[in-house]
Amino acid sequence: AQTVTQSQPEMSVQEAETVTLSCTYDTSESDYYLFWYKQPPSRQMILVIRQEAYKQQNATENRFSVNFQKAAKSFSLKISDSQLGDAAMYFCAYEFSGNTPLVFGKGTRLSVIA
Amino acid sequence: KAGVTQTPRYLIKTRGQQVTLSCSPISGHRSVSWYQQTPGQGLQFLFEYFSETQRNKGNFPGRFSGRQFSNSRSEMNVSTLELGDSALYLCASSEMGQGYEQYFGPGTRLTVT
Repeated sequence: AQTVTQSQPEMSVQEAETVTLSCTYDTSESDYYLFWYKQPPSRQMILVIRQEAYKQQNATENRFSVNFQKAAKSFSLKISDSQLGDAAMYFCAYEFSGNTPLVFGKGTRLSVIA
Repeated sequence: KAGVTQTPRYLIKTRGQQVTLSCSPISGHRSVSWYQQTPGQGLQFLFEYFSETQRNKGNFPGRFSGRQFSNSRSEMNVSTLELGDSALYLCASSEMGQGYEQYFGPGTRLTVT
């Protein structure tokens, strides 16, 4: 079974600084999708960024970017110029292309210090 | 477009009772997935419905069931509630499911006493 591991239960970052959240996954598949979701204290989960495994280029969305290392099965999220609104739980998720559900990591709680 | 809505937002039930949760997906989305979120287990997949058919099912007992209607609205039912069923139940919709962005609702907080 596929598993997703987020080894950092909690992280903190100073406002305007950069922080990287780690995620590793275990799969024997070659075609899949990876996601980072953000869950603020209000509880509404929103998609931050999406990566297709067949694409070598790392996905970027404004201040958010990923470092996708397929051979190492690593998918880290970098947040640049951190803002107070970035404080939330961040979940890494994996989805095999064969029509299977999302598998989530346990999450990383990010605090942003003013 | 309106987002994913879930009703009710909060619910308190007693052990042994049953409960039905409702989810209205974004207009045009045919896939609805349900997840249970607890502090100990994190986010766990319950099931996914696509065009009224259950397409995937997680590893939950038969007390957990669901259905989807022709307008894509979905309901989730839990019978014979146990204390361990206390959780945040999240519903997510997407256009096709696989590989597509899932849009989450605000969740239903279920407390079983």
